[in-house]
Amino acid sequence: SQQGEEDPQALSIQEGENATMNCSYKTSINNLQWYRQNSGRGLVHLILIRSNEREKHSGRLRVTLDTSKKSSSLLITASRAADTASYFCATGTYNFNKFYFGSGTKLNVKP
Amino acid sequence: DTEVTQTPKHLVMGMTNKKSLKCEQHMGHRAMYWYKQKAKKPPELMFVYSYEKLSINESVPSRFSPECPNSSLLNLHLHALQPEDSALYLCASSQGILGSGVGANVLTFGAGSRLTVL
Repeated sequence: SQQGEEDPQALSIQEGENATMNCSYKTSINNLQWYRQNSGRGLVHLILIRSNEREKHSGRLRVTLDTSKKSSSLLITASRAADTASYFCATGTYNFNKFYFGSGTKLNVKP
Repeated sequence: DTEVTQTPKHLVMGMTNKKSLKCEQHMGHRAMYWYKQKAKKPPELMFVYSYEKLSINESVPSRFSPECPNSSLLNLHLHALQPEDSALYLCASSQGILGSGVGANVLTFGAGSRLTVL
């Protein structure tokens, strides 16, 4: 991808379980964001974490950021079938109108 | 209005055709983007307009020609495309205001235009 990699590429879990996906990026960043994409549709913003933050929560989402390792993780707790989608991290640089996406994790939550 | 509207939703064109993709937002956002997404791949940045001026061109072939007629509209003109250009084309916008807060960095996407080049 233009910016980085995510793992796993695909994740299949049962409803109620937690899902963790990881993102690694290449350059210095101003912020890191996570987006969700349902099949063949536009992306929806989930959460943003600034480069000076280490952890952030929003509802069932928890994001961590380690700038020394150039990595982030997204945890979705108590997953639901409706969480089935592809999840992408996106990095914003100091030229802050430039946003690059990671390779994505396809999450399947089985009811 | 918190939406980005893209038209058409689907487009099929031959390699000799000229067509355009359109994108519209009425959120007062000053940065607008075109991304290209192939199946099972992440969106790839193509162009960024900031305050109606082209600020980023990610070495996109000249057969793709962006245009920003005003702060609410963004077009992508297509000419002499190749079959490998078939993809989902996503438009996005952000507040894009230098020095402002978190909101400036959040992208709002349209649903995309699915392009097939025969």
